[in-house]
Amino acid sequence: GNSVTQMEGPVTLSEEAFLTINCTYTATGYPSLFWYVQYPGEGLQLLLKATKADDKGSNKGFEATYRKETTSFHLEKGSVQVSDSAVYFCALSGSNTGNQFYFGTGTSLTVIP
Amino acid sequence: DTEVTQTPKHLVMGMTNKKSLKCEQHMGHRAMYWYKQKAKKPPELMFVYSYEKLSINESVPSRFSPECPNSSLLNLHLHALQPEDSALYLCASSQDPAGNQPQHFGDGTRLSIL
Repeated sequence: GNSVTQMEGPVTLSEEAFLTINCTYTATGYPSLFWYVQYPGEGLQLLLKATKADDKGSNKGFEATYRKETTSFHLEKGSVQVSDSAVYFCALSGSNTGNQFYFGTGTSLTVIP
Repeated sequence: DTEVTQTPKHLVMGMTNKKSLKCEQHMGHRAMYWYKQKAKKPPELMFVYSYEKLSINESVPSRFSPECPNSSLLNLHLHALQPEDSALYLCASSQDPAGNQPQHFGDGTRLSIL
């Protein structure tokens, strides 16, 4: 079956710290992988994506690499800001998932000045 | 600014009321989705429309009734809801109904059932 396992939160970091949020997946076939961010009171925004093995998605200083050998898609940022405080969701989708997205449980990040 | 527009942003209704949530996108996307999200949880899929036809209903109670009048619009009709239906309702759309493309989300309707 299809599933996403995401690092438990909440995560609290000081400004300019390095961020890693772990995400591993189980899927049939070759899914596309996504990271979404949800700020308080808003919907989910696509942060980055990768559609095949070894692809690196990047946006706003965030990066994640599609690792087929470890079935992982960890999110990283070299220097977090207070404005990065949000909930981050890892997700997978693909032709074998029947139109469905499979979301991880979400990781809440708080960045303190 | 989000490219998927949901109205209203907030809705408070009694258990006997009938109301509708609306969603609109003008990106030419052919798949549209309704999700329910409880606090501190990921979105839960409710319905999927593919080319204006209902393709997935995740065993949602009949008090929720989706409608897709055209390729740009998606409605969710609500009737006789229960307090546990209070949640954030998110609409999303994607270009590719096969699921390989990202979904674009609206900001949601926050629904409270009295």
